Amino acid sequence: AQSVTQPDIHITVSEGASLELRCNYSYGATPYLFWYVQSPGQGLQLLLKYFSGDTLVQGIKGFEAEFKRSQSSFNLRKPSVHWSDAAEYFCAVVLTGTASKLTFGTGTRLQVTL
Amino acid sequence: EAQVTQNPRYLITVTGKKLTVTCSQNMNHEYMSWYRQDPGLGLRQIYYSMNVEVTDKGDVPEGYKVSRKEKRNFPLILESPSPNQTSLYFCASSRTGEDEQYFGPGTRLTVT
Repeated sequence: AQSVTQPDIHITVSEGASLELRCNYSYGATPYLFWYVQSPGQGLQLLLKYFSGDTLVQGIKGFEAEFKRSQSSFNLRKPSVHWSDAAEYFCAVVLTGTASKLTFGTGTRLQVTL
Repeated sequence: EAQVTQNPRYLITVTGKKLTVTCSQNMNHEYMSWYRQDPGLGLRQIYYSMNVEVTDKGDVPEGYKVSRKEKRNFPLILESPSPNQTSLYFCASSRTGEDEQYFGPGTRLTVT
């Protein structure tokens, strides 16, 4: 069955440090890939998406993600974290050409220390 | 302003009392979907709709109903709510099922 794995439930980084959040998927074909962020008490906001082309994609708020087909991964990165980045981050995939079911990972909660 | 709205935002109810959570979008999107969010489980899809009058089950449809009579509205109906449906619910819409989804602010439901 198709699945999305975010192996880190909770990550703590210092403000100004770099960040990498991991995401792996198990699909037979390359899906469309997304990262969403959920701030406390808020809905979900799209950070970035990958459909095709350049495997390094830029998003909002200084985030980027790299699609690696050989590793079935789509890790999210930010060179320097700000305190306002504290939130929960969700990786999501949809298999192209299907009935368009968006599958989410279980999320990674990011805590930023000052 | 382009948005997805949900009502109510908070709801406390009792077991067995039918309720409806409304969802509306103003972006003329074809695709709409409902999710529930539970700690440690992420978001799981309840139902989705590719277009008016076309709906289909997601991963956790049991105990829920939906309808899509108009493009902009996609209400979620709980005919006989139970405590295990206590959760945070999100409605979302997109141009197509493969495009980025826009989420509503969420509805926190408590069933006692």
